[in-house]
Amino acid sequence: DADVTQTPRNRITKTGKRIMLECSQTKGHDRMYWYRQDPGLGLRLIYYSFDVKDINKGEISDGYSVSRQAQAKFSLSLESAIPNQTALYFCATSATGGTDTQYFGPGTRLTVL
Amino acid sequence: AQSVTQLDSHVSVSEGTPVLLRCNYSSSYSPSLFWYVQHPNKGLQLLLKYTSAATLVKGINGFEAEFKKSETSFHLTKPSAHMSDAAEYFCVVSLFGRGSARQLTFGSGTQLTVLP
Repeated sequence: DADVTQTPRNRITKTGKRIMLECSQTKGHDRMYWYRQDPGLGLRLIYYSFDVKDINKGEISDGYSVSRQAQAKFSLSLESAIPNQTALYFCATSATGGTDTQYFGPGTRLTVL
Repeated sequence: AQSVTQLDSHVSVSEGTPVLLRCNYSSSYSPSLFWYVQHPNKGLQLLLKYTSAATLVKGINGFEAEFKKSETSFHLTKPSAHMSDAAEYFCVVSLFGRGSARQLTFGSGTQLTVLP
C-alpha cells in the first residue's frame, strides 16, 4: 500500500551494528505496528503504538526498540544486530476503533551477517 | 488467549479448479477474522474480513470465506483459480474486546501454487 512506506527496502549489515528501520504513513491513522516475518512462522508482533505517547511491547520485543517521532512516523531500531534478526520486517497502521484492519507497508528485508 | 491454525502449509491446484485454504481459530471472545495475501516480494494485502455481520464474507478477486462458529473455522475459497492467485495467504484473528489492547495473531501461512 503506497500510503505506508518503509525505508530502506533492503539492508545488509554486520553483527553488532546499530540499525534503524523507518516507517511513514499518510493514512492519518493513530496506531502503528512493527512485525517480523520468518518462513513458516507467519508475522510476529515486535512493538505497537496506539498514539505518540503510547508504546507497547509485542510478542518478540527483546533486542529491539522503537521511537514514535510523530503520528505519521514509527521507527524500529536494532541496537546491536545479530544474525537471527535476519528477517523481513513490516510496518502496519490501523485506525482507532473500527475493525482493526491493518494496512501494511512493502517490507524491509534485513540481513545480518 | 487466541490463536489461529492454518491446516495446510502448501496447497497446489490447477488453473480453473476450486481453491480451499483452511483456517481454524481459537478465541475467548467474538473474534474479528481476516485473510491477507502476500505476493512474492510484496507487502500484505487485505483480501477480506469478518466482523460479526454476515457469516459469508466476500472479498476481492473472487475470494470468499465463511465464518462457522460451531466449527471455529474461517476457510477461504474461490470457485476457479487463476495463475495470478499464486501467493502466500495468511489467516489472522483479532481479539475484539472492550478495553482490551487489540492485537492481530497471524497463522503460519499457506503457500498456494496454481498449475497451468
